[in-house]
Amino acid sequence: GESVGLHLPTLSVQEGDNSIINCAYSNSASDYFIWYKQESGKGPQFIIDIRSNMDKRQGQRVTVLLNKTVKHLSLQIAATQPGDSAVYFCAETQNTGGFKTIFGAGTRLFVKA
Amino acid sequence: DAGVTQSPTHLIKTRGQQVTLRCSPKSGHDTVSWYQQALGQGPQFIFQYYEEEERQRGNFPDRFSGHQFPNYSSELNVNALLLGDSALYLCASSPTVDRSSYNSPLHFGNGTRLTVT
Repeated sequence: GESVGLHLPTLSVQEGDNSIINCAYSNSASDYFIWYKQESGKGPQFIIDIRSNMDKRQGQRVTVLLNKTVKHLSLQIAATQPGDSAVYFCAETQNTGGFKTIFGAGTRLFVKA
Repeated sequence: DAGVTQSPTHLIKTRGQQVTLRCSPKSGHDTVSWYQQALGQGPQFIFQYYEEEERQRGNFPDRFSGHQFPNYSSELNVNALLLGDSALYLCASSPTVDRSSYNSPLHFGNGTRLTVT
């Protein structure tokens, strides 16, 4: 079935460095993509989103890149901080006569002080 | 402005029992989606409710059912519990959107941790 996958299950970075989390999606019909952050004991929290008619979107310290040609999504975090340690999920919203959001397996980000 | 609230936060049930989980959406949101998140995995879509009807459903058996009330709150019911139903159950809400073009992220509660023994 259709799914959103991730290239790396874990990522460890030094505090202050930039982090890049990658994601592959398989449903070419998806037109809305979201990155979520999940901390222990909490629900996923929205970070940034992007529509399929865009290839880049920037927020505060975060940037999402979308490459529809190879069905690839990435999240870049600038100057990574200890508070960024969490599990990150990419998700795609599919229009199947209604809208449902499908999540990938997640990448755990460790930030070393 | 309260976000998405779920109750209870933790629950322990015995195999074969039934459970009801509750969710109040964020103020101004009318669509509720339920997800199951097993340990170390991403959330899996169960179903979505809008205008008190189930609009979308994931690959979950009929043991999983739900309801949405006129005030947009929602319940998730699971019958004949199995050990494999142990997971974090997440409720997410979203506002009314242009149904031809979805562009609003989900807002999640902190979930109900269900343990089936």
